[in-house]
Amino acid sequence: NAGVTQTPKFQVLKTGQSMTLQCAQDMNHEYMSWYRQDPGMGLRLIHYSVGAGITDQGEVPNGYNVSRSTTEDFPLRLLSAAPSQTSVYFCASSYSLAGGWPGELFFGEGSRLTVL
Amino acid sequence: GEDVEQSLFLSVREGDSSVINCTYTDSSSTYLYWYKQEPGAGLQLLTYIFSNMDMKQDQRLTVLLNKKDKHLSLRIADTQTGDSAIYFCAENSDKIIFGKGTRLHILP
Repeated sequence: NAGVTQTPKFQVLKTGQSMTLQCAQDMNHEYMSWYRQDPGMGLRLIHYSVGAGITDQGEVPNGYNVSRSTTEDFPLRLLSAAPSQTSVYFCASSYSLAGGWPGELFFGEGSRLTVL
Repeated sequence: GEDVEQSLFLSVREGDSSVINCTYTDSSSTYLYWYKQEPGAGLQLLTYIFSNMDMKQDQRLTVLLNKKDKHLSLRIADTQTGDSAIYFCAENSDKIIFGKGTRLHILP
């Protein structure tokens, strides 16, 4: 079982460049989400999706775009990278509980992004 | 909005019990979670408790929930060097919000 797959694992960008972090899951989970992890800040939610065609903002959405055209994929786009976006990014997915709320999160291995 | 607070560091001697505390704000949360992150790895679910429970025990792990005070704790009995990690408390609503994580350091 692949679980949650993130690519790339490492990326270096220059300020102003754009890129997309890919996330795919093969567990047929409705819920998918992106977090960033910074030292002393824990995990902060960027965007999340409760199903194909539905996305919503989390705690720190500025500078990031997402789309959810299929159940399996949830890419995170940085349109114009800034040094403040240097971080480790985690994609996570979950089955939906009754009422549609997420249950246990399954995490990818993370993507380390450096913006110079 | 939702907020989850936990202390950032805890040092415990090997063999002693570790207690990691957490407070949360969303009284409508149905599940509260403890995740563990080892160095260089992603997060893995350690245990969880349903909001209508007061306590859950799973081998060396005991979770206590005080819903009135919105306080959650994780007790690790007989702490071992392999327990050295960052422990995250999290609450769910239509999304899952994490605390900043408690780094558990084991003293010999």
